[in-house]
Amino acid sequence: GAVVSQHPSWVICKSGTSVKIECRSLDFQATTMFWYRQFPKQSLMLMATSNEGSKATYEQGVEKDKFLINHASLTLSTLTVTSAHPEDSSFYICSAMGQGNEQFFGPGTRLTVL
Amino acid sequence: SQQGEEDPQALSIQEGENATMNCSYKTSINNLQWYRQNSGRGLVHLILIRSNEREKHSGRLRVTLDTSKKSSSLLITASRAADTASYFCATPPDSSYKLIFGSGTRLLVRP
Repeated sequence: GAVVSQHPSWVICKSGTSVKIECRSLDFQATTMFWYRQFPKQSLMLMATSNEGSKATYEQGVEKDKFLINHASLTLSTLTVTSAHPEDSSFYICSAMGQGNEQFFGPGTRLTVL
Repeated sequence: SQQGEEDPQALSIQEGENATMNCSYKTSINNLQWYRQNSGRGLVHLILIRSNEREKHSGRLRVTLDTSKKSSSLLITASRAADTASYFCATPPDSSYKLIFGSGTRLLVRP
């Protein structure tokens, strides 16, 4: 139980395009999901908290108009990187919060912007 | 922002040896968690220690917590080559449910 999936696992896109990343809790419902970004050989940096049915809460320094988060159902949150640039290339990881408030992490999505 | 620092940043040991990683944090916490990440993969939850606990064991893992020093350590005993990974501590600041991660320790266990 407590499996979280991400799709796609990797994506390459051209500069200026938008990319959508999905995070799904497969066998449990999650009212809260989190999005993290990780640059090579660095730690995970929390980007935002995604709340089902309400607006996401962004961490300081994260542009909400650039990183659009939608949590339309209890099992799905999406992160859209708008007008992507090479500096947005990173490993994006989501987590879903279970009933015991523990976080279950997805396998990550590697984004490369050319 | 990161909650704190981990040391060492990198650790290379021989299979069978013990590995110790340390984590320091800044704010008051309810619990501290340790995660493992294989290269380019997601995170695996290893162990959670609550603020009123001083030590916790899980298999070959031993975690200590010193709230007075705002620090924790993770000990992996009798290491194996398969333990090669990055290890992160993470804490929920204040009463929040979000996690703030430490800088991580890259562990290499040589066969």
